[in-house]
Formats: sequence, structure tokens, C-alpha cells
Amino acid sequence: AQSVTQLGSHVSVSEGALVLLRCNYSSSVPPYLFWYVQYPNQGLQLLLKYTTGATLVKGINGFEAEFKKSETSFHLTKPSAHMSDAAEYFCAVSSRAGGYNKLIFGAGTRLAVHP
Amino acid sequence: GAGVSQSPSNKVTEKGKDVELRCDPISGHTALYWYRQSLGQGLEFLIYFQGNSAPDKSGLPSDRFSAERTGGSVSTLTIQRTQQEDSAVYLCASSLVPVVTGGYTFGSGTRLTVV
Repeated sequence: AQSVTQLGSHVSVSEGALVLLRCNYSSSVPPYLFWYVQYPNQGLQLLLKYTTGATLVKGINGFEAEFKKSETSFHLTKPSAHMSDAAEYFCAVSSRAGGYNKLIFGAGTRLAVHP
Repeated sequence: GAGVSQSPSNKVTEKGKDVELRCDPISGHTALYWYRQSLGQGLEFLIYFQGNSAPDKSGLPSDRFSAERTGGSVSTLTIQRTQQEDSAVYLCASSLVPVVTGGYTFGSGTRLTVV
């Protein structure tokens, strides 16, 4: 069975500081991994994804994530936080075990950015 | 259409009433998904439609929940005899192909409040 764990339901950083949002997955077969962002009263927007190939993937708004198979992790980072990054972030996984046909989401991490 | 459209955006209903939530996916997207987003619970998979295949209903929480997709396009999620625990944001998403390599496109959701 697939599952996703996001460590920390709330993360608070100062503007300009490093953003690190943690995601660990469970999958018995190679996974596809995704990060989504949800701004208030909006739907979810795809930030970045890992399917195959390079394990460091870059997404929109300066975010990137690295797939580490040995750690079963896919943490999201951004070198310098901006006030506009305040939102909720969701990590998701799909895999061949599930037919690669649906995403399983983590519980989300709410990011606050303060001046 | 240009995006995934959901209606209504907000719905307040009395306990015990039935409700219908509508999703209009992106034209040409063969796969359609319903998720439920409860406070602090992340996104819970409900149901998945792919073309004319039998839907994957494995996430529906009870037999009060049902969904249909007519003509491979518009989908309706129906909740019968609503309960207060059904209060949540119901999100619809669609994707071009069933294999989720590109992620989903989400609608803005329907916020359901059962009073």
C-alpha cells in the first residue's frame, strides 16, 4: 500500500529564510512523487513532480525537491522564502502498485512566512 | 473548458438532506477524480472514473455517497442523508490520461457545510 507522511502540520519561517517541508513516502515499487500548493480559497496547483530520471527536480516559484530512494523522502525546499509563499503544501505519491492511476496525498503542511 | 469547474462553490444544507455536487472537467480529459478535504485531514480519495471503465469506488466512505459520470464528461457526486461529519471541501480533478505522470488539474472545490 502507498502512503505519504508530511512531518509538521505547520511550519513558520522568516522572509528570506530557507524553506524545508518534509515528505516521506511508503511504496513497495518505484513511485511517482508530486508536490502541490494550495492558496487560500483556491484549488491545488502542481508545484513539481518526479517520475524518472534526475532525482533533483525544479518547479515553479523557485521550489525544488530531491527524490532520495534510500531515505524514502521527497523534501521540498526553497532557498529564500517570500511572503507570497504562505500557503498549504501537499505531497502526493502514485505507483505501479496502484496502477499509477491515482494520487495518495499527505495531510499537508501549512507554511507561514513572517517579516 | 479552460479549467475544471465545480458548482456550487459553497453549499449549506440541513442534516438529513441530500446534496449534489457537480464537476465539469477539462475537455478531452478522460480521467476524473473526487477527493474530500477535511480540516487537518489532507485529501482523501473518494472515487475515480476512467473513460467507460467501471469506476474505482474504493474511497467512498459509506453507501450514502455515490457518483456518476455522464457521457464521459460531467460528474455528479451525491451525498444522501447528510451528516455533520460530511462537512468538508469536495475537490474534483481531471487528467488527460489515466496514468498520472503529469499530475492532476484541480477545480476550486465545493465547500459543504451540514448544519
